[in-house]
Amino acid sequence: AQSVTQLDSQVPVFEEAPVELRCNYSSSVSVYLFWYVQYPNQGLQLLLKYLSGSTLVKGINGFEAEFNKSQTSFHLRKPSVHISDTAEYFCAVSQVPNAGNYQLIWGAGTKLIIKP
Amino acid sequence: EAGVTQFPSHSVIEKGQTVTLRCDPISGHDNLYWYRRVMGKEIKFLLHFVKESKQDESGMPNNRFLAERTGGTYSTLKVQPAELEDSGVYFCASSQSVSREYRTDTQYFGPGTRLTVL
Repeated sequence: AQSVTQLDSQVPVFEEAPVELRCNYSSSVSVYLFWYVQYPNQGLQLLLKYLSGSTLVKGINGFEAEFNKSQTSFHLRKPSVHISDTAEYFCAVSQVPNAGNYQLIWGAGTKLIIKP
Repeated sequence: EAGVTQFPSHSVIEKGQTVTLRCDPISGHDNLYWYRRVMGKEIKFLLHFVKESKQDESGMPNNRFLAERTGGTYSTLKVQPAELEDSGVYFCASSQSVSREYRTDTQYFGPGTRLTVL
């Protein structure tokens, strides 16, 4: 079984400052890793994903994440945030190989609050 | 291209009533998923359709929940009778196909239906 922990329920940060949203996972098998974002009053949107290859993954809107297998982490970073980044961010994993099981296992979410 | 749509956006019902949620996936997407987020908790998987067949329904909480996808297009999720603990946001997602290389898919989500059971 897999589980995902997002250590911070809220992260306040000043505009133009860097941010890191933390995600750790637990799994007895290999996993694929995802970050989704939910802007106010919108659906969940894929930011980026790690399937294989380079452990540094770049996504939309200037976000990137680094897969660290030894630390079982997949932290999300952005060097300079904008007010439009205000949203809730979700880390998720799916099992590899998944033998027909494609469900995503989710963290509890982190609300990014941008202070002007 | 239209995204995943869900109807209604909000529903407020009383305990014991029936509610039906609808999801229209992106056209051509064979895979359809239902997830639920109870207030303050993580999003949980409910079930997965491939076309009209249930591929995985391991997340369905109990037999008060019934999901259908007749004809492999839109899907409905019926809760009958609704209980207080069913309150939450119900998300639907769809994906085109599973990658042969990675054996996974990118799921595209709808805006969700917020269900409140009083």
